Amino acid sequence: EVQLVESGGDLVQPGGSLRLSCVGSGFTFSTYSMTWVRQAPERGLEWVSYISSGSNTLYYTDSVKGRFTISRDNAKNSLDLQMNSLRAEDTAVYYCARVKGSYAFMDVWGKGTTVTVSS
Amino acid sequence: DIQMTQSPSTLSASVGDRVTITCRASQSVSSWLAWYQQKPGKAPKLLIYKASSLESGVPSRFSGSGSGTEFTLTISSLQPDDFATYYCQQYNSSPWTFGQGTKVDIK
Repeated sequence: EVQLVESGGDLVQPGGSLRLSCVGSGFTFSTYSMTWVRQAPERGLEWVSYISSGSNTLYYTDSVKGRFTISRDNAKNSLDLQMNSLRAEDTAVYYCARVKGSYAFMDVWGKGTTVTVSS
Repeated sequence: DIQMTQSPSTLSASVGDRVTITCRASQSVSSWLAWYQQKPGKAPKLLIYKASSLESGVPSRFSGSGSGTEFTLTISSLQPDDFATYYCQQYNSSPWTFGQGTKVDIK
């Protein structure tokens, strides 16, 4: 079964840091680009970051540039999102998602991990 | 950034109804558009990609059409499992952006 499982979500104070992880199984992780998408409470979906299969192409939405870093370890089938200088507006469920083929839409999603930024 | 606008924001319908949701882009995205379904507390599920291609395993009552700046998602005969929120997403250019969502609820 193709599966993505996120972890690392927590309650953190403004200005703090958090590292999210996602582990893929049931498919050849190293051949797929991956993304992080978030959803603030009672809000819509927001694409956050993208990494190509070989880590040579990285993209970020403007609001997280300079604060978040996406990375992956294909040997461990894992995807990470290092989040620094967290703000209240970063509070959301963070989904790890697989990118289909050479495009930028997501065909497999994890169940999400919750990040709450609050004092 | 390309802005995606869905209409309506909420749609009340009955089982068996034909339902149409519209998604408009602020500039052309060619056919690089996807549709997702999301139920409360669950992750989104891919329904349609490249504007009109049905994802494997998705019922054929779902269909997509359009190109350029205007797109539609149609459910030919609404089923109880289809009450959910639907999002369009453009992947023509980064940052990839979603519509605000259309909630389909029971009339």
